Amino acid sequence: EVQLVESGGVVVQPGGSLRLSCAASGFTFEDYTMHWVRQAPGKGLEWISLIKWDGAKTYYADSVKGRFTISRDNSKNSLYLQMNSLRTEDTALYYCAKGVASWGFDYWGQGTLVTVSS
Amino acid sequence: DIQMTQSPSSLSASVGDRVTITCRASQSVSNYLNWYQQKPGKAPKFLIYAASSLQSGVPSRFSGSGYGTDFTLTISSLQPEDFATYYCHQTYSNFPTFGQGTKVEIK
Repeated sequence: EVQLVESGGVVVQPGGSLRLSCAASGFTFEDYTMHWVRQAPGKGLEWISLIKWDGAKTYYADSVKGRFTISRDNSKNSLYLQMNSLRTEDTALYYCAKGVASWGFDYWGQGTLVTVSS
Repeated sequence: DIQMTQSPSSLSASVGDRVTITCRASQSVSNYLNWYQQKPGKAPKFLIYAASSLQSGVPSRFSGSGYGTDFTLTISSLQPEDFATYYCHQTYSNFPTFGQGTKVEIK
């Protein structure tokens, strides 16, 4: 059974930093592109970053580029999101999701809540 | 970035109704178009990929169509468990984008 379990979400002050983790199991993690998607309270889905299977290529939405860094450790079946210079508008539920080649995201975690507030 | 626009933003329907949601891309995405269902407090569920291919386990009352810039999600006979928010999603670009969502409510 595929499982994605996010962790690391907390309340943090504006300008602060945070690292989210996503533990994957039930599939060959190193074979797949992985994504982070967030959802602000009461709002829609926003894709924020992806990392290719080997970590060689990463992409970011403009809203987080230069502040967030995606990474992975295939030996630990884990995905990470380093979040710096956090803003109040980064407050959201952060999901990790498994990519299916170019055909969407077939599995999602339950999300971890990041609240940026003073 | 490719912008995805869904319509309507919300709709009210009754059990048994046929429901159609449209999604328009700001440029061609070929058939790299997916659909998700999200219920309150839950992660999105993958429904349709490649514009019209049903993900395993998804009921056949769900169908998708379209190519290029215009796509539709159809629920042939709405069931009580289908009341949710639906999102379209393009993966044509290395910067995937979602539509703003369509909330399907009980009439």
